[in-house]
Amino acid sequence: NAGVTQTPKFRVLKTGQSMTLLCAQDMNHEYMYWYRQDPGMGLRLIHYSVGEGTTAKGEVPDGYNVSRLKKQNFLLGLESAAPSQTSVYFCASRMDGSGANVLTFGAGSRLTVL
Amino acid sequence: DQQVKQNSPSLSVQEGRISILNCDYTNSMFDYFLWYKKYPAEGPTFLISISSIKDKNEDGRFTVFLNKSAKHLSLHIVPSQPGDSAVYFCAASGKGGGSNYKLTFGKGTLLTVNP
Repeated sequence: NAGVTQTPKFRVLKTGQSMTLLCAQDMNHEYMYWYRQDPGMGLRLIHYSVGEGTTAKGEVPDGYNVSRLKKQNFLLGLESAAPSQTSVYFCASRMDGSGANVLTFGAGSRLTVL
Repeated sequence: DQQVKQNSPSLSVQEGRISILNCDYTNSMFDYFLWYKKYPAEGPTFLISISSIKDKNEDGRFTVFLNKSAKHLSLHIVPSQPGDSAVYFCAASGKGGGSNYKLTFGKGTLLTVNP
């Protein structure tokens, strides 16, 4: 029972490079999210998806794009990385929008942009 | 505009004593409140939640209290154990209009339980 798996776990980029973070969940969850965690800032929502083929912006979407072509996968893309995007990225999923809205998180992906 | 606030960045307590972590919110449309725990190099894990129709929810050593009039909730850990040392995030979600799709998190409180 893998839950939510993020790849890669670590990555170093140079300014201007592009990359994609992959999130995969095996719980058949409808909703998926990408958060970033920065010191003193808590968890901030980048983008989210309420179902296959749908995406929406969160609090801090600028500089990122996402895609949800398959229900189990949620990709986060950086087209032209900037040092301000150095952060730890967390993917999360949950069954639906009802009830206590419990999110299951992945272990995180640490990205450094030089 | 920070809708969920955890004003104490850190808290240190002795093993066996009570830990009280506080959280304030500003959005009156929030109707579910959750606490997550995070160890270094791991993702946050769900700890306990409370619906706005309740004022208390208990799960073993963990109790969450909600004061809607004050827009305040707190997490009590009794007795505290060294393994409880982690960052605790308060989170909230709303009732509708798209707001129940998302959780809004506070900045977190680092709890250190000293042996």
